[in-house]
Amino acid sequence: NAGVMQNPRHLVRRRGQEARLRCSPMKGHSHVYWYRQLPEEGLKFMVYLQKENIIDESGMPKERFSAEFPKEGPSILRIQQVVRGDSAAYFCASSPPQSYATNEKLFFGSGTQLSVL
Amino acid sequence: GESVGLHLPTLSVQEGDNSIINCAYSNSASDYFIWYKQESGKGPQFIIDIRSNMDKRQGQRVTVLLNKTVKHLSLQIAATQPGDSAVYFCAENIETSGSRLTFGEGTQLTVNP
Repeated sequence: NAGVMQNPRHLVRRRGQEARLRCSPMKGHSHVYWYRQLPEEGLKFMVYLQKENIIDESGMPKERFSAEFPKEGPSILRIQQVVRGDSAAYFCASSPPQSYATNEKLFFGSGTQLSVL
Repeated sequence: GESVGLHLPTLSVQEGDNSIINCAYSNSASDYFIWYKQESGKGPQFIIDIRSNMDKRQGQRVTVLLNKTVKHLSLQIAATQPGDSAVYFCAENIETSGSRLTFGEGTQLTVNP
């Protein structure tokens, strides 16, 4: 049973280019979360998605960032017109369908390290 | 060895010693807390969790203590091993808000052989 798969592991972009980060959740998981981590810092929540729905995007920057989780295929975090400040590790996590009676643990992928030149 | 609050991001201990990593959480409404271990180049790995109706929970070699009065969380690792070297993060959550986690800044634990 494969874990959360993220690709690419490393992504280098020049300022102004677009970055696309992919995340395939664990089998049976229908909830995906994206977090960003700057060096020497903790993870910061960006967005929470279910299949074809954005549930909570309160951590997403208002411009240039978007996320989707289509019915088929991986979740995509898209950053348009990247700037140097976007350089960070981006982690995806997944969880099975929610039940508020129990808090399901998140399972994290190994992340995509984005470097903007 | 013991870390002191969020202003001491590193903790160095000898192999076999017990380690205590501290965390001050921010939201008094948080009712679920998790400790994660993150090794270099990897994603966070779940260690142990605790709900706010408890003040202590034990796992294998790890114990989490929760003090809601002062909004403080600690992770105790018994007989620390070199493989425990990593950055440790506490995370807080409000269960009815879903699985959105708020992470602390982390503590780098180094275990010297």
